[in-house]
This record gives sequence, C-alpha cells and structure tokens, in this order.
Amino acid sequence: AQRVTQPEKLLSVFKGAPVELKCNYSYSGSPELFWYVQYSRQRLQLLLRHISRESIKGFTADLNKGETSFHLKKPFAQEEDSAMYYCALPRGGSQGNLIFGKGTKLSVKP
Amino acid sequence: GAVVSQHPSWVICKSGTSVKIECRSLDFQATTMFWYRQFPKQSLMLMATSNEGSKATYEQGVEKDKFLINHASLTLSTLTVTSAHPEDSSFYICSVLAAPSYNEQFFGPGTRLTVL
Repeated sequence: AQRVTQPEKLLSVFKGAPVELKCNYSYSGSPELFWYVQYSRQRLQLLLRHISRESIKGFTADLNKGETSFHLKKPFAQEEDSAMYYCALPRGGSQGNLIFGKGTKLSVKP
Repeated sequence: GAVVSQHPSWVICKSGTSVKIECRSLDFQATTMFWYRQFPKQSLMLMATSNEGSKATYEQGVEKDKFLINHASLTLSTLTVTSAHPEDSSFYICSVLAAPSYNEQFFGPGTRLTVL
C-alpha cells in the first residue's frame, strides 16, 4: 500500500543551524513527491515538488529511490521557517489525490 | 496559483443539525476539488474527490449519506455534514486541482466545525 512516513512530530533547531525533515515513502514505481508547508494561521501551500528540482526559500529535497526517501533540507534555518511541514505522495504515483504524511512541526529558535 | 475560499471559516452547531460548508475557486474553473478532514495535531485525511457535474468519489470509511458533496459548478463545491455529532467536530479543508497534468493542488483556508 502507498504510504508516506514522517518519523518526527517535532523538530527544534536554533537559527542558523541546518535542518533536515525526513520523509519516507512506500510506492513501487517512480513517484512524484511534494512538500507542503502550513505557517501558523495560514493555509496549506506547496513548498516544492521533486520534478521541479528547484530551491524554494532555501529548501531543497532530493528523491532517493534506493532509500525511498524525499528528505527536506535547508542549510541555515531561519525563524520564519517555523511551521508544519507535510510530505505528500499522489495516489497512483503521479496523478490524483494526495496521501499526506503526519507532518513535522519545525520550530526555529532565535 | 488558484485562489480558494471557504465559507464559513468556523461554525458551531448543536448535535443533530446539518451544516453546509462552501468551497469556491475564485479565479479558476475547477473540474476537480478535494475535501479533507484534519483532526487536531494530525495530518490531512482525504474524505472525497468532488467532480463537477458528477457524483463525488468517497474514500473508504467515509459515509456518503453523512457527508454530502455537491459540485454543481466549476467554481463551487459544497460539503454538508448531516445530523452532525460531536465526533464530527474537526477542521475541514478543500482544495482545487489546478492543471491536472501538473497535479498541483491549491488549498482553502479551512472551516472549523464544532458540534456541541
């Protein structure tokens, strides 16, 4: 069955420290994966998708098929990065509705 | 990206009453919208896929007769929680599927339902 696992409920780092939010997935083919972010009192919004291979707000994520992972990384965390982060996998791998991980709350302390 | 609104943003109702939640795509004609439910400190769980002009597709375990979805136009989908009970209290979020080939969803701000 398709599944998205985010093992950390909460990740707390100091400003300027590197950040890695873990995401592992279960899918037999070549999936398309997303990271969504939800800032306090704001709606869920797309942060990045792996096919774009772009860096948004300093975040990057690389799909590792061998480890079935799509970890989100940022070399220097900022206080404004504090938010809930959700990893998501489309049902069917590339199309259709999303299966979300349980989310990781990132707290960046000054 | 698409702008999605939800109304109301929060609602409190008595047990046994029905509540309607609207999801509007303000600047995009959406043939497909999704309805999610989010319990406190938990992830989003897909409830149903709403397709304009046809019946919604419900996820396993979601009662069709309890959560009525109507997608009568390309800009509006409604979710009606019928005979609401306290366990239906949750945060309901809709999203619009923009550019299906690109598989990008734009989310509404959510509706907080509290059933007394």
